[in-house]
Amino acid sequence: EAAVTQSPRSKVAVTGGKVTLSCHQTNNHDYMYWYRQDTGHGLRLIHYSYVADSTEKGDIPDGYKASRPSQENFSLILELASLSQTAVYFCASSDATGKNTQYFGPGTRLLVL
Amino acid sequence: AQKVTQTQTSISVMEKTTVTMDCVYETQDSSYFLFWYKQTASGEIVFLIRQDSYKKENATVGHYSLNFQKPKSSIGLIITATQIEDSAVYFCAMRNTGGADRLTFGKGTQLIIQP
Repeated sequence: EAAVTQSPRSKVAVTGGKVTLSCHQTNNHDYMYWYRQDTGHGLRLIHYSYVADSTEKGDIPDGYKASRPSQENFSLILELASLSQTAVYFCASSDATGKNTQYFGPGTRLLVL
Repeated sequence: AQKVTQTQTSISVMEKTTVTMDCVYETQDSSYFLFWYKQTASGEIVFLIRQDSYKKENATVGHYSLNFQKPKSSIGLIITATQIEDSAVYFCAMRNTGGADRLTFGKGTQLIIQP
C-alpha cells in the first residue's frame, strides 16, 4: 500500500546539535513537503520539492535545510537545533496533477533541550 | 496572499447528529482547490474531501459533504450522522497557485462527539 513514512518517530536533541529527519514515500509522487505543527498554529510549510536534487523554501525556512536525493526520499536538516524548533514535523507527498491532494506521514515529535 | 480562516476553535455535538464546520478563504485566483483534512488523536493526518472551484456541485464523500459558497469565499464541511470516531481536529486548506503547488492551512477546529 502506498504510504509516507518518517523516521525517527520521536527524538530528543540538544541545543546546538544537528538533527536530521527523514521521509520516504512509496506513492510515486513527484512533490514532497515538510511542515511543522505547533499548538495554535496549524501546519506551516518549511520546505518542499518538485523533483529530486531540488528544493524550495516554504513559509518558515529559517533554521532548516532540506535535501531530496531521490524521488522517494526527502530529509529535513536542523544544523544547529534551537529550543524554538521543538514541534511535531510532518512530511507529505502529492502528485503533479495540479490538484495537490497531499498525503501525510505519521509525524516526528522533536524535543530540543 | 492566500489566507484560510477557521474561526471555530472547538465544537461539541451529540453522537448521530449533523455538524457543520466553517472555513473562509482569501485568494486572488479565479481557479483554486479547497481541501479538508482530519487529524486524529494519534496525530495522523488524513485527507477527507476536495472541492474544485470551477465545479458548481458540492463534493460528497461518504458522510462528509461540502457547502461551497464561492461568492462568500466559504467552504463548510458537513458531517452527517456523526460517530464517536469523528472526534478529531479538522483542517481546511487551499492550494496556492502562482507557480507553486502548495497548501495553506487554517488553524483547525476541534470536534468533540459526545455519546
